[in-house]
Amino acid sequence: EAQVTQNPRYLITVTGKKLTVTCSQNMNHEYMSWYRQDPGLGLRQIYYSMNVEVTDKGDVPEGYKVSRKEKRNFPLILESPSPNQTSLYFCASSLFPRGYGYTFGSGTRLTVV
Amino acid sequence: GESVGLHLPTLSVQEGDNSIINCAYSNSASDYFIWYKQESGKGPQFIIDIRSNMDKRQGQRVTVLLNKTVKHLSLQIAATQPGDSAVYFCAEALGSGGYQKVTFGIGTKLQVIP
Repeated sequence: EAQVTQNPRYLITVTGKKLTVTCSQNMNHEYMSWYRQDPGLGLRQIYYSMNVEVTDKGDVPEGYKVSRKEKRNFPLILESPSPNQTSLYFCASSLFPRGYGYTFGSGTRLTVV
Repeated sequence: GESVGLHLPTLSVQEGDNSIINCAYSNSASDYFIWYKQESGKGPQFIIDIRSNMDKRQGQRVTVLLNKTVKHLSLQIAATQPGDSAVYFCAEALGSGGYQKVTFGIGTKLQVIP
């Protein structure tokens, strides 16, 4: 089944403890992106990747890191999580960076205390 | 996604009726538009898209209308079913070179009354 897989689905962590949210797609998509979703704000882009080893900042990149060493994987790294990073996170991919809708993962609900 | 639906505009529709969900987009230069459906606890799901050189596109039970003059997008769902209950949001994309900048709307919550 064609899909974007995120792990974990739920995560509660403490301020300052490094964490990684994994994202993997099995559709050979070139483009991958991370979004956070907060009530009243909609989806906001954190980082995106046009292809392997090509990443760039989205609208809200502060406090996050990403890497794209393989086409299928695009992990999101929070080096020192803070409470304002409590949110619902989605990974998305598309065949090409332009002119295509996204396939989204099921989401990761992160709580930082 | 449980908290996504809070404080959103809500449209309540009787089962079997048609639903019309509206969206105002912001950039007149946007050249690609997409509608997504997000059910509680799930990620957004692609429904239908339309390019700026079109004003209407039909899918299975869904139709998207684009009015570039007033920067308005609508999603029509025919014969609404309980499974259509979800948050629906539009996205506008502005292409530049090989990349498109996508901006998502806040969304509208559709409640289907059995």
